[in-house]
Amino acid sequence: EADIYQTPRYLVIGTGKKITLECSQTMGHDKMYWYQQDPGMELHLIHYSYGVNSTEKGDLSSESTVSRIRTEHFPLTLESARPSHTSQYLCASSESGGGYEQYFGPGTRLTVT
Amino acid sequence: QKEVEQNSGPLSVPEGAIASLNCTYSDRGSQSFFWYRQYSGKSPELIMSIYSNGDKEDGRFTAQLNKASQYVSLLIRDSQPSDSATYLCAVIFSGSARQLTFGSGTQLTVLP
Repeated sequence: EADIYQTPRYLVIGTGKKITLECSQTMGHDKMYWYQQDPGMELHLIHYSYGVNSTEKGDLSSESTVSRIRTEHFPLTLESARPSHTSQYLCASSESGGGYEQYFGPGTRLTVT
Repeated sequence: QKEVEQNSGPLSVPEGAIASLNCTYSDRGSQSFFWYRQYSGKSPELIMSIYSNGDKEDGRFTAQLNKASQYVSLLIRDSQPSDSATYLCAVIFSGSARQLTFGSGTQLTVLP
């Protein structure tokens, strides 16, 4: 079981603000992912990273950006939040070798007013 | 387009019964399959992974994979009210760089 943390757990913020959602894992996993999920809907991959200095966009177009400067840290940034960004953001990680199981953090529920 | 299909439910079963959840996928070359449980308002929790045809058992959970028919199922024996959740099927499609594609989930309610 992976130890993966996300902060904040809940965030209500006004339109136009810059926000950074934090994600950290202590398992030394090389691969990390960001998903977006609206209530009752599917998870959609928005960003992923296979290691330090590696970032890629996922299937769902997103105005957010990510960085991977340290193995354990994979923050997501929105430069200018909009109400359409209201959603749950889930971070996950997986090992490089062996199985491909992904382990999820608790999520950040973002509301943009 | 590569897809993972699940009945959205809701599926209701009485306590103690067997709950059967099904998932079909579009890519015959897929090799890795996962079941996650997601309680309302929470993040997905990995229940099982399965990579080979046949059954894989873990406690009250059994995953079944049939690659020829392109379906994977999850059986929950002796269902408990605490099993009430949405169950997500996830598949790693061939050529997807090991990314998971999730189904929309099946909502299960276990009635006391």
